[in-house]
Amino acid sequence: DSGVTQTPKHLITATGQRVTLRCSPRSGDLSVYWYQQSLDQGLQFLIQYYNGEERAKGNILERFSAQQFPDLHSELNLSSLELGDSALYFCASSVHPGQGGTDTQYFGPGTRLTVL
Amino acid sequence: AQTVTQSQPEMSVQEAETVTLSCTYDTSESDYYLFWYKQPPSRQMILVIRQEAYKQQNATENRFSVNFQKAAKSFSLKISDSQLGDAAMYFCAYRSTGNQFYFGTGTSLTVIP
Repeated sequence: DSGVTQTPKHLITATGQRVTLRCSPRSGDLSVYWYQQSLDQGLQFLIQYYNGEERAKGNILERFSAQQFPDLHSELNLSSLELGDSALYFCASSVHPGQGGTDTQYFGPGTRLTVL
Repeated sequence: AQTVTQSQPEMSVQEAETVTLSCTYDTSESDYYLFWYKQPPSRQMILVIRQEAYKQQNATENRFSVNFQKAAKSFSLKISDSQLGDAAMYFCAYRSTGNQFYFGTGTSLTVIP
């Protein structure tokens, strides 16, 4: 158990809908990362937040957005869902922002999103 | 953009033997970090080992070690004395100076009893 929690574990929804994935980092970790793992594309980095501020951006679609709240939990919002958005969404946390340091990311168990 | 390539989709090893997983990457940066992650059937991502590009010494964590060849942009993972619990998908990852992460497509490791 990494100490990172993600809810829900599974989510089934329809195309065009909007969903919110939640992540609680390890106690003491200020940085949160979001990843998408599709069957045919491996693991894709989406976005990172550090202490409430966006820190780094990867291949995140405009239909997706994220935020980190004052209590440091983070939410990933996915809207206008398409079949291709079906994937495993991971959250990871670390103590520091990660730049220039030897920071380790600890991954949550993931949320499996199925878009029908 | 940086790319990470794992050319071995599947590998197998006999229990107690040694196996090496390959990873190459493409970058123009000089300062970066490399990682190996393990993903067992539970789908949890577990950090196996980390290497800082500025360090010439290869990282080691118990039965896991890397062969980091910076000039060749190669970062292989060696697992010694393989155990059944080592069976998993292994991902090589690159972290840029801009703190963006790039993952390879993974190598599925089977450990044969």
